[in-house]
Amino acid sequence: AQTVTQSQPEMSVQEAETVTLSCTYDTSESDYYLFWYKQPPSRQMILVIRQEAYKQQNATENRFSVNFQKAAKSFSLKISDSQLGDAAMYFCAYSNSNSGYALNFGKGTSLLVTP
Amino acid sequence: EAEVAQSPRYKITEKSQAVAFWCDPISGHATLYWYRQILGQGPELLVQFQDESVVDDSQLPKDRFSAERLKGVDSTLKIQPAELGDSAMYLCASSPGKWGGTDTQYFGPGTRLTVL
Repeated sequence: AQTVTQSQPEMSVQEAETVTLSCTYDTSESDYYLFWYKQPPSRQMILVIRQEAYKQQNATENRFSVNFQKAAKSFSLKISDSQLGDAAMYFCAYSNSNSGYALNFGKGTSLLVTP
Repeated sequence: EAEVAQSPRYKITEKSQAVAFWCDPISGHATLYWYRQILGQGPELLVQFQDESVVDDSQLPKDRFSAERLKGVDSTLKIQPAELGDSAMYLCASSPGKWGGTDTQYFGPGTRLTVL
């Protein structure tokens, strides 16, 4: 079974600074998808960024980018120019065809953004 | 912008009672997921539907949980009888295509269940 590990229960960053959230995963598959989801307090989970394993180029979405290291099975999220609205739980997730593309989530990292 | 709707948003019940949660996915989305999120953890899949058919319910405690999506549109998740350990957030998500695939999953706001 695939496992997703987020080793940082909490992280803190100052406004306008950069923060990196870590994620590692375990799989024997070669074709899969990785995601970062954001869950603000009392609000629904939304997709931040996604990465297809077959793509070597790291995904970017505005201030959000990933460092995908396939051999190391590492998938970190970098948030640049942090904003107060970035404060949330961030979940790393994995999916592939074997599970019908259902998401397999890590335990999450709580990000605090300070003024 | 279309959203996944869930109701109720909050539910408090006593153990051994029956509870039901409803989810209305984004119109036209073929795949629907129910996840359970225990406080402080990531969501875990309970059941996945492709149209009206169950794709995966291997993690659904079938002695007390049931789920249906009769017309391939909205879905109901039921727990009977509820147990203290069922206290959690129940999340519904949908995605456009068949078998999920590369599609983004869109989540509803969830139903927070408290079992006393």
